[in-house]
Amino acid sequence: NAGVTQTPKFQVLKTGQSMTLQCAQDMNHEYMSWYRQDPGMGLRLIHYSVGAGITDQGEVPNGYNVSRSTTEDFPLRLLSAAPSQTSVYFCASSYSSGALNTEAFFGQGTRLTVV
Amino acid sequence: KNEVEQSPQNLTAQEGEFITINCSYSVGISALHWLQQHPGGGIVSLFMLSSGKKKHGRLIATINIQEKHSSLHITASHPRDSAVYICPRPDRSGSARQLTFGSGTQLTVLP
Repeated sequence: NAGVTQTPKFQVLKTGQSMTLQCAQDMNHEYMSWYRQDPGMGLRLIHYSVGAGITDQGEVPNGYNVSRSTTEDFPLRLLSAAPSQTSVYFCASSYSSGALNTEAFFGQGTRLTVV
Repeated sequence: KNEVEQSPQNLTAQEGEFITINCSYSVGISALHWLQQHPGGGIVSLFMLSSGKKKHGRLIATINIQEKHSSLHITASHPRDSAVYICPRPDRSGSARQLTFGSGTQLTVLP
C-alpha cells in the first residue's frame, strides 16, 4: 500500500494564482482531512470529509475549497493564493469505525510558498 | 487556554537517557494520539490509545482519561529519536477526523 500520497511536495505560487493540492489514499479510509502547519505552531484543521460527497469546515477554512467525489481522493483548492497561505500542508486519513478510536495516517506534506 | 498543553516544549538529552514527554488537556478526552514529526517534516503515527498503556519497542505511552493526562516515555534514547513529538486530541467521537494539535515537544538527543 502507498498509504497517503500528496502532490506536489513543493510549490511556489504568485499572489492571485490558483492551484490544487492533491491527496490520495489507498486504504479505503472514510475520513480525510487537510491541515496547515505554520512555523512554531501546531497543525490547524482546514477542511475534513467523513465520506464521499460529504465535507465540512475546520478551524481555518477561508481561502480554501475541497471536494470528495471518491473515497480515495480529497483535493484542496486554493482559489486566489495569498502570502498568508504560505505554509506546509498535510493531508491525513483514518477509518471511521464507530465506537473504536482509529489511527491517523499522514501524507508527506506539501511546502507552499506564495510570493 | 490551549486545549492541548505539552511539556516540556524543548528537551535536550544525552544518548541513553530515559525521556518523558507529558500532555494535558483542558477538555474531556476519550482517546489521544502520539505522533512523531521527523526533521524532514514527515509525520508518523506512534500510538493511538484510549486507556492504560501501550508499548512499541523503546516507546511507551500511558493515558489517564479521568486526569486528562498522557505521557510518552522513550527508554535508552538514541540520536535518531530526535524529532518533534505531538499529542493531538481527537474530536468528541474519538475519531481522527478532526485532531486538535498543540505545538509539540522538540526533542534533541545528543550522541
